[in-house]
Amino acid sequence: DTGVSQDPRHKITKRGQNVTFRCDPISEHNRLYWYRQTLGQGPEFLTYFQNEAQLEKSRLLSDRFSAERPKGSFSTLEIQRTEQGDSAMYLCASNMGGTEGIPSYEQYFGPGTRLTVT
Amino acid sequence: AQSVTQLDSQVPVFEEAPVELRCNYSSSVSVYLFWYVQYPNQGLQLLLKYLSGSTLVKGINGFEAEFNKSQTSFHLRKPSVHISDTAEYFCAVSEAGGYNKLIFGAGTRLAVHP
Repeated sequence: DTGVSQDPRHKITKRGQNVTFRCDPISEHNRLYWYRQTLGQGPEFLTYFQNEAQLEKSRLLSDRFSAERPKGSFSTLEIQRTEQGDSAMYLCASNMGGTEGIPSYEQYFGPGTRLTVT
Repeated sequence: AQSVTQLDSQVPVFEEAPVELRCNYSSSVSVYLFWYVQYPNQGLQLLLKYLSGSTLVKGINGFEAEFNKSQTSFHLRKPSVHISDTAEYFCAVSEAGGYNKLIFGAGTRLAVHP
């Protein structure tokens, strides 16, 4: 168990550019979550995958955001035409849920990707 | 829908003193409750969780929390803090039986002074 990993750890981009982040969950986990954390706030839910299916998207996830989890393994979060308001820490978490194994109600978080839009 | 209120944004305390970080939640359904800790530039680490059963739960690093359903609270306590406990602490809830989407409070910054 190597934990949840995220890449890159830091990303600085200019307004209007597109960025893509990657999350590799713990290998046997079927559930994957994305959160966004701005300075001085708690994480806010963005979206959730069970295997490859994206089952919920927050209203925070505007049309410029898209997330995928092909083959139910790693996930990517893409932000198009970045804005300064997108500057935040993007956190990925995973766990096991549903009927596919012993559920773990806690979520295991990665170290996050810090995005700065200039 | 659920919501979480952490009543103190910052808690300063001296080393070896006791501490309590307060958390209240609101929900129309049964919930699971969690406390996470975040050290600078790192992700979140679970301290403890309440799913069911005994209302007093013990976690890592000497922390414990008590679930009080009537007061909708889940306060975190430690009898004697260390400098290394300096961090941001987040209380979170998820709908029991759901897919565990977490709703977080705004966090409490615990600053332990020598």
